[in-house]
Amino acid sequence: RKEVEQDPGPFNVPEGATVAFNCTYSNSASQSFFWYRQDCRKEPKLLMSVYSSGNEDGRFTAQLNRASQYISLLIRDSKLSDSATYLCVVNNGSARQLTFGSGTQLTVLP
Amino acid sequence: DGGITQSPKYLFRKEGQNVTLSCEQNLNHDAMYWYRQDPGQGLRLIYYSQIVNDFQKGDIAEGYSVSREKKESFPLTVTSAQKNPTAFYLCASTPGNTEAFFGQGTRLTVV
Repeated sequence: RKEVEQDPGPFNVPEGATVAFNCTYSNSASQSFFWYRQDCRKEPKLLMSVYSSGNEDGRFTAQLNRASQYISLLIRDSKLSDSATYLCVVNNGSARQLTFGSGTQLTVLP
Repeated sequence: DGGITQSPKYLFRKEGQNVTLSCEQNLNHDAMYWYRQDPGQGLRLIYYSQIVNDFQKGDIAEGYSVSREKKESFPLTVTSAQKNPTAFYLCASTPGNTEAFFGQGTRLTVV
């Protein structure tokens, strides 16, 4: 089992749709969690940190469920500019720290 | 402005050559990482360093070497032993148990 697993995708949705991504992690000692966005041929950029209480930033909502060891990202009212690959990232506090999911590709269609 | 700088942005290597990718950060981060990304794939860890003069192999270290002589710098050498080096290489740093900050990447192509 991979340490961090994401929905395989790709997701193709119309503008204005709501889309959700899930990510599971295997290390129960994991300490911090993030969603990154990566545009084609660019470096990943932090989209949101994920907190136990859940957090929202505009159209984006992230949730963490420690008991079930998964995190989620919800995008409401999708825009064309949301088209990208979304990476789930887990920091387990060890020397290696960061583990990346393989990413989920989202395409928002006009 | 603080950040991570990778250079060059594009690099072409002849078969059998060693090449070195630069990664410099002025964020005062202790931990630095090198990742490789192939088209349509996720990030795979090559090497990481938690402190100056110390580094560890990641999942795909064969054919690569690194050094960490200064806190700010973590260069990656792609040696001739790396048989399929064409990829997008990303350097990152973290201050600890928080998010990673990435450089803009180096796209290496074997010609």
